[in-house]
Amino acid sequence: KAGVTQTPRYLIKTRGQQVTLSCSPISGHRSVSWYQQTPGQGLQFLFEYFSETQRNKGNFPGRFSGRQFSNSRSEMNVSTLELGDSALYLCASSGSTGVDTQYFGPGTRLTVL
Amino acid sequence: GENVEQHPSTLSVQEGDSAVIKCTYSDSASNYFPWYKQELGKRPQLIIDIRSNVGEKKDQRIAVTLNKTAKHFSLHITETQPEDSAVYFCAAKAGNTPLVFGKGTRLSVIA
Repeated sequence: KAGVTQTPRYLIKTRGQQVTLSCSPISGHRSVSWYQQTPGQGLQFLFEYFSETQRNKGNFPGRFSGRQFSNSRSEMNVSTLELGDSALYLCASSGSTGVDTQYFGPGTRLTVL
Repeated sequence: GENVEQHPSTLSVQEGDSAVIKCTYSDSASNYFPWYKQELGKRPQLIIDIRSNVGEKKDQRIAVTLNKTAKHFSLHITETQPEDSAVYFCAAKAGNTPLVFGKGTRLSVIA
């Protein structure tokens, strides 16, 4: 089975711009979660989508949004980028139950200048 | 919501020694506890997980123990090797709530 994939792998943007990141889950997985990883804060939960519905949301401002398509692929969008948004954005896919293993993608490294 | 504390933040051991990383969680409803290993520049990878109906699980040199009464769980790595050097994250989850991670432990195995 192919693993979780994310595109693009690297992005450089300037303050005020917006960005869209994409995540393709493992075939058959219906849940996609997004995390922001920074050296000081570790892995922080952004949101989770399950069957095209947002099931959980983390403590991030409304500039961070996401969606999931009928094929379970997910996108996250960050509008009005700030310097502090520079981070590694990871998505993880899992099956349908709460105790299913989450498998991570390679991440998108976002740099905001 | 859930809060996961992880200690120590850095750990250095001699090759062949054991390493222990400890985590505590706050939500007594948590029932799933995975451990991830992240090597430099790579994605986090699951190394072992435990569900709340068992107290211990072992996979070769890696073991995890869970104490639900005290709300803590630990990762034990025996006979450490240089390739065990990485950042290790514990996490906890209750049902369909989000997976909450500890802040990580940087393990260095010195040859």
